[in-house]
Amino acid sequence: AQSVTQLGSHVSVSEGALVLLRCNYSSSVPPYLFWYVQYPNQGLQLLLKYTTGATLVKGINGFEAEFKKSETSFHLTKPSAHMSDAAEYFCAVSDRVTQGGSEKLVFGKGTKLTVNP
Amino acid sequence: NAGVMQNPRHLVRRRGQEARLRCSPMKGHSHVYWYRQLPEEGLKFMVYLQKENIIDESGMPKERFSAEFPKEGPSILRIQQVVRGDSAAYFCASSPGQSYGYTFGSGTRLTVV
Repeated sequence: AQSVTQLGSHVSVSEGALVLLRCNYSSSVPPYLFWYVQYPNQGLQLLLKYTTGATLVKGINGFEAEFKKSETSFHLTKPSAHMSDAAEYFCAVSDRVTQGGSEKLVFGKGTKLTVNP
Repeated sequence: NAGVMQNPRHLVRRRGQEARLRCSPMKGHSHVYWYRQLPEEGLKFMVYLQKENIIDESGMPKERFSAEFPKEGPSILRIQQVVRGDSAAYFCASSPGQSYGYTFGSGTRLTVV
């Protein structure tokens, strides 16, 4: 069974500082990996995803993540935090899909990012 | 081009009542997923539907919960005889097909009193 562990339910950084949100996954097959952001009382917005190819994935709003198979990790980073980055971030994993199969996602419990002025 | 529309945004039900949550996918999307988010938890998969078919319901509770996606109209998640533990945010997502990724709606927040 797949699982996702997000280390740190709360992360606090200063504006302009590096953002690092950690995600480790468990999967018996090569995974698809995702990061989503959720602002209060809103749905989830896709930040970036890894499927195949380059292991460093760039997403929206200056975020990027690196797939490290040997470490089973997919940590999310941003060089310089902005106040508008304050939100909850979810890492998710899914199986590579077989024809007609379900693309359901398994989510971590989330990390709330606070950005201090 | 409207996104995934869920209604109502907020729903309050008394214990024992029925809750009906609606999801209108994006135009051209025929795949719908439902997820539930409990407080302080990530989203948990419930069910995956294509038009008129349930493809994967492995995350659905065995009793009281059902889902449909008719040929015409929105997808419906129905919860019968609601209990306090059903209080959660329910999110729908839609996709045009496999491997495209999907788009989430803003959710319905169900409160059972």
